[in-house]
Amino acid sequence: AQSVTQLGSHVSVSEGALVLLRCNYSSSVPPYLFWYVQYPNQGLQLLLKYTTGATLVKGINGFEAEFKKSETSFHLTKPSAHMSDAAEYFCAVSGANAGKSTFGDGTTLTVKP
Amino acid sequence: ETGVTQTPRHLVMGMTNKKSLKCEQHLGHNAMYWYKQSAKKPLELMFVYNFKEQTENNSVPSRFSPECPNSSHLFLHLHTLQPEDSALYLCASSQEVAGNSPLHFGNGTRLTVT
Repeated sequence: AQSVTQLGSHVSVSEGALVLLRCNYSSSVPPYLFWYVQYPNQGLQLLLKYTTGATLVKGINGFEAEFKKSETSFHLTKPSAHMSDAAEYFCAVSGANAGKSTFGDGTTLTVKP
Repeated sequence: ETGVTQTPRHLVMGMTNKKSLKCEQHLGHNAMYWYKQSAKKPLELMFVYNFKEQTENNSVPSRFSPECPNSSHLFLHLHTLQPEDSALYLCASSQEVAGNSPLHFGNGTRLTVT
């Protein structure tokens, strides 16, 4: 069994400020972890993934996430927010089967000028 | 060509209509999926196809009927839908069904059932 909790359904930051989106997971097997972004009227797009190896993962658009097994967390960060980062972000966990990925409820990021 | 293409982008249908959603992937992937995204609900997996064989039906009502003629094309046939079926339907593909294989999504079909 696996589950994902995204803390905070809405996060608002000022342009240039740090972005921190929180994700905690539970999984009965070593997890594969993903962050996806969804812009309005579009599908989900992969930002980054953790499968094995280095626990700090870098993705597109300057985002990165760190897998912390002891905290069962995979928080997404970006040092400096840009207006174009405004979107909905989904954390997902999967075990052996990609089709059985479990998605979080999503966090809507608003970036204020 | 974008990686995963879905048509139509928008669809309005009555409860007695029959319509089909189409998905095509140009990524050479072996697995394809249908997801339902409703407001204020988590993404729901509906069907999984691996090498054009259905491997997962997530207790989806029979008014939704998938078809996968080959690894590049996926259809969702709709009939006798209910208003609560209104949602964004997303098609996705992955290289394989393994858990470390990320999903590539299309832009979805926004379905409204009247």
